[in-house]
Amino acid sequence: KQEVTQIPAALSVPEGENLVLNCSFTDSAIYNLQWFRQDPGKGLTSLLLIQSSQREQTSGRLNASLDKSSGRSTLYIAASQPGDSATYLCAVCGANSKLTFGKGITLSVRP
Amino acid sequence: ETGVTQSPTHLIKTRGQQVTLRCSSQSGHNTVSWYQQALGQGPQFIFQYYREEENGRGNFPPRFSGLQFPNYSSELNVNALELDDSALYLCASSLSGVGEQYFGPGTRLTVT
Repeated sequence: KQEVTQIPAALSVPEGENLVLNCSFTDSAIYNLQWFRQDPGKGLTSLLLIQSSQREQTSGRLNASLDKSSGRSTLYIAASQPGDSATYLCAVCGANSKLTFGKGITLSVRP
Repeated sequence: ETGVTQSPTHLIKTRGQQVTLRCSSQSGHNTVSWYQQALGQGPQFIFQYYREEENGRGNFPPRFSGLQFPNYSSELNVNALELDDSALYLCASSLSGVGEQYFGPGTRLTVT
C-alpha cells in the first residue's frame, strides 16, 4: 500500500527566504508525482508534475525534483513571498491510476 | 478553455439522506476522478471514471457511487449519509487515467 509522508506539518519563514518542502513515498512503482497548492477551503492548484522518467521540473520560482529509487521528492521555492502562504500537497500516481496524497505542509511566509 | 467546475459549492444534509454532487470536466478530458478531503487531511481517492466506465475504486463503501456521461461530466452519489461523510469533495479531470490531474473548486458537504 502506497503511503506518502510530508514533514513537517507546518512551516513559518520570513519573506525572501529560499525553502525546501519534502515528500517521501513508500512504493517506487509510480507513473508520476504532482505537487499541488491549496488555499484554505479551496480546491487544488497543480504546480508541477514530474513523470517517473524525469528528475526535475521547473516553473518560475518553483523547482521540483524526484528520486524515485529512494522514494523522495522536494519542492524548492525561491525568494518566498507572503502570497506563497498556503498548504502544499504532494501526490503520487500509481498503477491503479489513483493519486495518493500526503497530508500537506502548511506554509506561512511572514512579511 | 474551461476548467473543472463543480456544483453545488456548499451543501448541508441530515444523516440518512442522499446527496448528488456534480462535476464538469475540463474541455477535451475523458477521465474524471473523485476525492474526499476531511479537515486537516490529504484527499482520499474514491473512484475514477474513464469513458463512462469505472476505472478504479478506493476504500469507500458501496453507498458511494458514481456516473460518467457521454460528455464526460460526472456525478458522485452518496446514500445513507453519515456524520463522517462531512468533507470537501473534489473532482479532477485528466486526459488519461495517469495524466496530470486538474482539480475543481470542490463541494463542501456538511452532514448534521
